[in-house]
Amino acid sequence: GAVVSQHPSWVICKSGTSVKIECRSLDFQATTMFWYRQFPKQSLMLMATSNEGSKATYEQGVEKDKFLINHASLTLSTLTVTSAHPEDSSFYICSARDPRYGHVYTFGSGTRLTVV
Amino acid sequence: AQKITQTQPGMFVQEKEAVTLDCTYDTSDQSYGLFWYKQPSSGEMIFLIYQGSYDEQNATEGRYSLNFQKARKSANLVISASQLGDSAMYFCAMREALYGGSQGNLIFGKGTKLSVKP
Repeated sequence: GAVVSQHPSWVICKSGTSVKIECRSLDFQATTMFWYRQFPKQSLMLMATSNEGSKATYEQGVEKDKFLINHASLTLSTLTVTSAHPEDSSFYICSARDPRYGHVYTFGSGTRLTVV
Repeated sequence: AQKITQTQPGMFVQEKEAVTLDCTYDTSDQSYGLFWYKQPSSGEMIFLIYQGSYDEQNATEGRYSLNFQKARKSANLVISASQLGDSAMYFCAMREALYGGSQGNLIFGKGTKLSVKP
């Protein structure tokens, strides 16, 4: 079945530094990747939608200059949290839809970011 | 207004018994999809079951079944013969029609924490 590999699984960084999270579709081409953020004991909230070869679409209230998304190939999308602050600490998870199977949405394993 | 409503923050069920997790949704689209995911403490999202809005039969996947009542806009998940490993967060989600301006993303409810008691 469709697999999305997400790295790193967890990261601790200092305030002011940047962190890059990668999501790779291993056995299918993901023209679109969805990035979600999940705070403890809360639901998944869509941050942005990345499309291969074009600019990402950000949800209202999400700072595009802070959360940089790059989708340079059909198998790789990255989310960079720039100048991270403690309030950015959260669980970030990506998802892609396998075009071979209309309703299958595959998720990465998630990245737990802690900013100290 | 919330598009996906899960009214049960937490549920308990005895091992081997069945449990129903509630989900109601709100959309004006005719074509949409409904999903249930399980999220254990590790954080991964595990796909359980899918129901298309035009599907006449309720979806079933092993011990999981989806009680789809279109007129009431509900899509409850039924887990039969609960197991200890079923303890997790359960999220109901919806994908709206792409032509309606949706980007094809899933919209999630707030989730229900299921605890299975031995």
